[in-house]
Amino acid sequence: EDQVTQSPEALRLQEGESSSLNCSYTVSGLRGLFWYRQDPGKGPEFLFTLYSAGEEKEKERLKATLTKKESFLHITAPKPEDSATYLCAVQSTSGTYKYIFGTGTRLKVLA
Amino acid sequence: EPEVTQTPSHQVTQMGQEVILRCVPISNHLYFYWYRQILGQKVEFLVSFYNNEISEKSEIFDDQFSVERPDGSNFTLKIRSTKLEDSAMYFCASGRIGAEAFFGQGTRLTVV
Repeated sequence: EDQVTQSPEALRLQEGESSSLNCSYTVSGLRGLFWYRQDPGKGPEFLFTLYSAGEEKEKERLKATLTKKESFLHITAPKPEDSATYLCAVQSTSGTYKYIFGTGTRLKVLA
Repeated sequence: EPEVTQTPSHQVTQMGQEVILRCVPISNHLYFYWYRQILGQKVEFLVSFYNNEISEKSEIFDDQFSVERPDGSNFTLKIRSTKLEDSAMYFCASGRIGAEAFFGQGTRLTVV
């Protein structure tokens, strides 16, 4: 069964303190891995798509990387406005095009 | 920038009543989805829709639920005979084949 596990569940950082969020996945075949940001009471906001091991994507203070078993979302010098829940989702090559989400990492950046 | 729009943003309904949640997907997308998120829990797949028919549905998506694309722009989720446990955020999403999905801001459904 396709599965996504994210860690840690919650993370508190001081402003400027860099860290990484982990997304481990088990799929029969990976069509794509997706990172989203979700603010309270809002819908997931798309950040990155990764398709193959070794791929990296970057946007402002965020950088996503992918291996054959996991993905990392690196946050460099975070600011309070980066506080949100970060969601990882995968799309498998088996069956249809649904996205399977992990439980997310709640990030709090303190000023 | 194109976006997925959902209405209403908040719906309160009596247990046993029917509700219709509405979505306008991004116009050149071919795949449409409904997901739900119970407070504090993960985003759960309900159903995907492609080429005017359901392509996959989860175990949650039983006979109580139905989806429809009544015209070229709208995509609806109908929940018949609502139960207390149907209270959740419902998200519509749309996407192209093999690419990311874009989500709406959600409808908060409260069943009382």
